[in-house]
Amino acid sequence: QQQVKQSPQSLIVQKGGISIINCAYENTAFDYFPWYQQFPGKGPALLIAIRPDVSEKKEGRFTISFNKSAKQFSLHIMDSQPGDSATYFCAASITGRRALTFGSGTRLQVQP
Amino acid sequence: GAVVSQHPSRVICKSGTSVKIECRSLDFQATTMFWYRQFPKQSLMLMATSNEGSKATYEQGVEKDKFLINHASLTLSTLTVTSAHPEDSSFYICSAINSGGLQETQYFGPGTRLLVL
Repeated sequence: QQQVKQSPQSLIVQKGGISIINCAYENTAFDYFPWYQQFPGKGPALLIAIRPDVSEKKEGRFTISFNKSAKQFSLHIMDSQPGDSATYFCAASITGRRALTFGSGTRLQVQP
Repeated sequence: GAVVSQHPSRVICKSGTSVKIECRSLDFQATTMFWYRQFPKQSLMLMATSNEGSKATYEQGVEKDKFLINHASLTLSTLTVTSAHPEDSSFYICSAINSGGLQETQYFGPGTRLLVL
């Protein structure tokens, strides 16, 4: 059972544009939602994370929007750059258990 | 800070041999580490949770006798793939949580590419 659904599978954005990746979860016990960036052959790196008590969190060009009632959260990458081309994973976990459940990933390509 | 290393980065072995992968937290102590497996162009799948000084907790469908996990210290966890077969070829990634940290942040290692011939 896929507990975190991520879309789109792939995304092509022009340089300077906004990249938007969406995730939906099923388990209402999830209370920590991080986004990871992964380059080929490398481990994932944490970009930004949010908890359900806030609806939005911004760090630099990266923003998470969170909708608790809809059980959805999204990543917005403003002013997308070619260096942002990577695979992005949303994830969710339960405080205490800590193990992450990952979405299926989105391959982002930012064209110059 | 919060660096996690893995060794080796790549390993090629013959079918039937065992392979050990090390995961180290370099600048923090980690009572809990996790092992994930990632097949090409797929997501990360949790294999097991490794707790320092106790037995690992394996996810459903992961053979504990095939994937041996040892977490003997607060900075080191090892994954041993016993009697490896070609279907075990994958990208193995560990992560660790800072025991002294306030958040749930998992720091990931760079991964180990295993190819079983």
